[in-house]
Amino acid sequence: GAGVSQSPSNKVTEKGKDVELRCDPISGHTALYWYRQSLGQGLEFLIYFQGNSAPDKSGLPSDRFSAERTGGSVSTLTIQRTQQEDSAVYLCASNKDRGRPQFFGPGTRLTVL
Amino acid sequence: LAKTTQPISMDSYEGQEVNITCSHNNIATNDYITWYQQFPSQGPRFIIQGYKTKVTNEVASLFIPADRKSSTLSLPRVSLSDTAVYYCLVGDRDSGAGSYQLTFGKGTKLSVIP
Repeated sequence: GAGVSQSPSNKVTEKGKDVELRCDPISGHTALYWYRQSLGQGLEFLIYFQGNSAPDKSGLPSDRFSAERTGGSVSTLTIQRTQQEDSAVYLCASNKDRGRPQFFGPGTRLTVL
Repeated sequence: LAKTTQPISMDSYEGQEVNITCSHNNIATNDYITWYQQFPSQGPRFIIQGYKTKVTNEVASLFIPADRKSSTLSLPRVSLSDTAVYYCLVGDRDSGAGSYQLTFGKGTKLSVIP
């Protein structure tokens, strides 16, 4: 079956612009996670969605970051007024339920000039 | 979330067995140990998960001693394609807190040499 897909694969934007990153999880997976990974670093948790529950936003670094998940499936991560320090690979993962191994997408490489 | 400590890097020749040890002294009773593999420009890929003793699948084995304060990922007869970063994570699989976020450290960069 299809894995987690993300789009775009690469995004180059200018400082101050808004960007939207998309994640399409594996069908039937109720949990969805966003992480970001800076060059040579480990993954940094951003936000977690579980079914229809309120998302866990505890990892979002600032109020410029937001995410939504429509219909319990596709998720969009929005970064407003991008800054150069937002440059990173943004990874999405999903799993069947809390605690099970997560399946990751290929990521979106964001470069803010 | 329990903190983990792994070697930053390891080198191995093709065909050898590689053992990567992870320390997690503060592991909690409900915590599971999970290992992921990440190739450059790709997302992490689940390798194996365990709670105690030994777990084996088609890719690797995971050895966990009785005190669970460490774990060892064993990769049999590595090949060049096993060159990657390996992450050890510890977390509460059945937490009632409403989330199971993964905390990744910098991992262990394994380089397989021909």
